[in-house]
Amino acid sequence: DTAVSQTPKYLVTQMGNDKSIKCEQNLGHDTMYWYKQDSKKFLKIMFSYNNKELIINETVPNRFSPKSPDKAHLNLHINSLELGDSAVYFCASSQLGQRDTIYFGEGSWLTVV
Amino acid sequence: QQQVKQSPQSLIVQKGGISIINCAYENTAFDYFPWYQQFPGKGPALLIAIRPDVSEKKEGRFTISFNKSAKQFSLHIMDSQPGDSATYFCAASKKGAQKLVFGQGTRLTINP
Repeated sequence: DTAVSQTPKYLVTQMGNDKSIKCEQNLGHDTMYWYKQDSKKFLKIMFSYNNKELIINETVPNRFSPKSPDKAHLNLHINSLELGDSAVYFCASSQLGQRDTIYFGEGSWLTVV
Repeated sequence: QQQVKQSPQSLIVQKGGISIINCAYENTAFDYFPWYQQFPGKGPALLIAIRPDVSEKKEGRFTISFNKSAKQFSLHIMDSQPGDSATYFCAASKKGAQKLVFGQGTRLTINP
């Protein structure tokens, strides 16, 4: 049973399109995250939600909009995709206050052409 | 600015050798220092973590050494095995914060 699952795993799309990545966790955690890993493998947090409330919002273009319908789901919608958005997007979850419970999904590979 | 600096970028070690990866941080408010292991096509997975009240933590073949005054910490992998070949990330976070700040990653290759 996958603990943090992301769909799709691979996504190739044209510049200017709008796309979404979905994430679900079955660990019973109350906090979820989106991290971006660029072509140089650098990992950086984008957003975090705790019980559907946004708690971290790093300097991310407002073309990126996260949505958390419930504490087990966190989706990422990206408008007007640009070449520079090509990256691997990782969803993660944890229990708030327990940093050693942060568990990452397997990533969604986004390629913008 | 890069709050956590990791070196080397890549490392090749012979099977049975010791792999050492170093990290330095700037923010003295950091109080949690984990290491993550990432295999190709997978997400990062927590390997071992340390808090600044201890200078060393060992779990099996993996050891973190922590030097609070120098603001440095390192991962040592003893008796390195080909299955250890992966990318390793150090990270840090502040007390009360859920956000992890990652180093740049080290691609480790263990030659058989």
